[in-house]
Amino acid sequence: AQSVSQHNHHVILSEAASLELGCNYSYGGTVNLFWYVQYPGQHLQLLLKYFSGDPLVKGIKGFEAEFIKSKFSFNLRKPSVQWSDTAEYFCAVKPGTGGYNKLIFGAGTRLAVHP
Amino acid sequence: SAVISQKPSRDICQRGTSLTIQCQVDSQVTMMFWYRQQPGQSLTLIATANQGSEATYESGFVIDKFPISRPNLTFSTLTVSNMSPEDSSIYLCSVVVGNTNTEAFFGQGTRLTVV
Repeated sequence: AQSVSQHNHHVILSEAASLELGCNYSYGGTVNLFWYVQYPGQHLQLLLKYFSGDPLVKGIKGFEAEFIKSKFSFNLRKPSVQWSDTAEYFCAVKPGTGGYNKLIFGAGTRLAVHP
Repeated sequence: SAVISQKPSRDICQRGTSLTIQCQVDSQVTMMFWYRQQPGQSLTLIATANQGSEATYESGFVIDKFPISRPNLTFSTLTVSNMSPEDSSIYLCSVVVGNTNTEAFFGQGTRLTVV
């Protein structure tokens, strides 16, 4: 079955520390890849997405992610986190690139950034 | 983009009763999705709701338990029927604008507690 694994359920960092959140998926075909963020009390928002082309994708708020096809991975990175990055982060995969847009989500990583 | 409003934002319900969750979108969309996020778990797709046709349910979800209506291109409802404490969860409405290579937008969710 198709699945998405996020390696860390909880991450605690100090401000200015670097962040990397792991995401691996199980699907052998072409995929679209997403990272969503949910700030406390708010709805899910898109951070960045990969459809094709350059495997290094830049998103909002200084986030980036790298698609490594051979590793079935799409890790999220940020060189220097801020307190405002405290949120829950979800990796999601859409198997295939055609019309039906079902997303498969990872379990989420809860990030806490301390000032 | 799309702005999604969900009602209610939260509710506490008695077991055996039913709750209908409403999802209103500010633009016409073909596909609407209902997800469930159980405590500490990932988002799981319940069903896809297309206007003018019956909803398509994912494995493990049935129409009798989660009836869905989709009367027009901007509105959908999900009913959680004959509730039990195991139905306590966050229920999210999602839409995709466009057919391919696009992101999903989410409502703020409905936090349901069944007592």
